[in-house]
Amino acid sequence: EPEVTQTPSHQVTQMGQEVILRCVPISNHLYFYWYRQILGQKVEFLVSFYNNEISEKSEIFDDQFSVERPDGSNFTLKIRSTKLEDSAMYFCASRELAGITGELFFGEGSRLTVL
Amino acid sequence: GENVEQHPSTLSVQEGDSAVIKCTYSDSASNYFPWYKQELGKGPQLIIDIRSNVGEKKDQRIAVTLNKTAKHFSLHITETQPEDSAVYFCAASRDDKIIFGKGTRLHILP
Repeated sequence: EPEVTQTPSHQVTQMGQEVILRCVPISNHLYFYWYRQILGQKVEFLVSFYNNEISEKSEIFDDQFSVERPDGSNFTLKIRSTKLEDSAMYFCASRELAGITGELFFGEGSRLTVL
Repeated sequence: GENVEQHPSTLSVQEGDSAVIKCTYSDSASNYFPWYKQELGKGPQLIIDIRSNVGEKKDQRIAVTLNKTAKHFSLHITETQPEDSAVYFCAASRDDKIIFGKGTRLHILP
């Protein structure tokens, strides 16, 4: 069964450092997302991406965050200067169809620990 | 924006009994209500969803109900089994952005 894959599974970084989290969405999917889950809390929407541009972003997704689809398969989330409160599990997700019609498939997540 | 409230935060039921998780949402324009199951160390996985033109949907031991007037929706799991132990999230959406509830940790007791 096709799946969304994410790397790394766990990254530890010092505050102020840049981090790039990588995702390979399901190959025929066109809509890509990043969500965040702080330990024990709910899953929060960060950003959606379609046709090489951001469709929507949340208040969490400030100037320190950026997303990119550098090639035909990868979808990355960059945090420019990490803060302690960025420590969370970051989930990439993708769907084939837009809006409410297509099932959203999540990856297994990348745990980011900022020291 | 949309706000989704979910109760209870923790639920323990005897194996074989039923479990019910309830959610409310705030945006009357929301028209899609998925439920996700998250097992330890994994990403959320869709288990069932319901659209606003339907009041109830069932898939084997899992059923969801939606009351658009009251902005309530709920998940029912019957004949619970040990593998049902997980965190369950309700969510609501009216466009591309899915807003999650805080999750319910379901424990199935032997």
